[in-house]
Amino acid sequence: KAGVTQTPRYLIKTRGQQVTLSCSPISGHRSVSWYQQTPGQGLQFLFEYFSETQRNKGNFPGRFSGRQFSNSRSEMNVSTLELGDSALYLCASTTGQTGELFFGEGSRLTVL
Amino acid sequence: AQSVTQLDSQVPVFEEAPVELRCNYSSSVSVYLFWYVQYPNQGLQLLLKYLSGSTLVESINGFEAEFNKSQTSFHLRKPSVHISDTAEYFCAVSDRSFQKLVFGTGTRLLVSP
Repeated sequence: KAGVTQTPRYLIKTRGQQVTLSCSPISGHRSVSWYQQTPGQGLQFLFEYFSETQRNKGNFPGRFSGRQFSNSRSEMNVSTLELGDSALYLCASTTGQTGELFFGEGSRLTVL
Repeated sequence: AQSVTQLDSQVPVFEEAPVELRCNYSSSVSVYLFWYVQYPNQGLQLLLKYLSGSTLVESINGFEAEFNKSQTSFHLRKPSVHISDTAEYFCAVSDRSFQKLVFGTGTRLLVSP
């Protein structure tokens, strides 16, 4: 069974640009969540989607948005990038039944 | 709201020595508890979890954690560590909806020969 796939793995952007990250969950998993990992703040919850609906959202500004498609694939978008957005963005999927999140390897964003 | 405290940012230990990584949580509702491990340049992997039942839970690679409700703790232990255990370990808590994990800041375990 294929794991959670995130693309791209690495990307470099400049301030003011926008970025879209993609996540393909494990087959059969309908819940996808996103986390931001930085050395200073650790792992911070961004949002969670289930069947194309956002069920939960973390404390991030409106520049951070996401969506989920009917095939459970998810994207997150960050607009008007700031230097502080440099981070590893992790996607995780789950059935929602056992509490176990399956994480992808992440997309490492560097903002210059 | 929930929160997780991992007091030790880094724990150095020699190979074959025992180790304990500490985790305390705070929550106004019943929670589920998790330990995840992150190896360099990888995502997180579930190490073990407590949902209900026995308060002592074990992983397949020798780690164990005990849920202590009175002390609101979920410390991770291993009686004898290997070099390959070098990684960052995250304690996390979730309410019963499983929609959101709240993570601690992580503990870097450094195992040296």
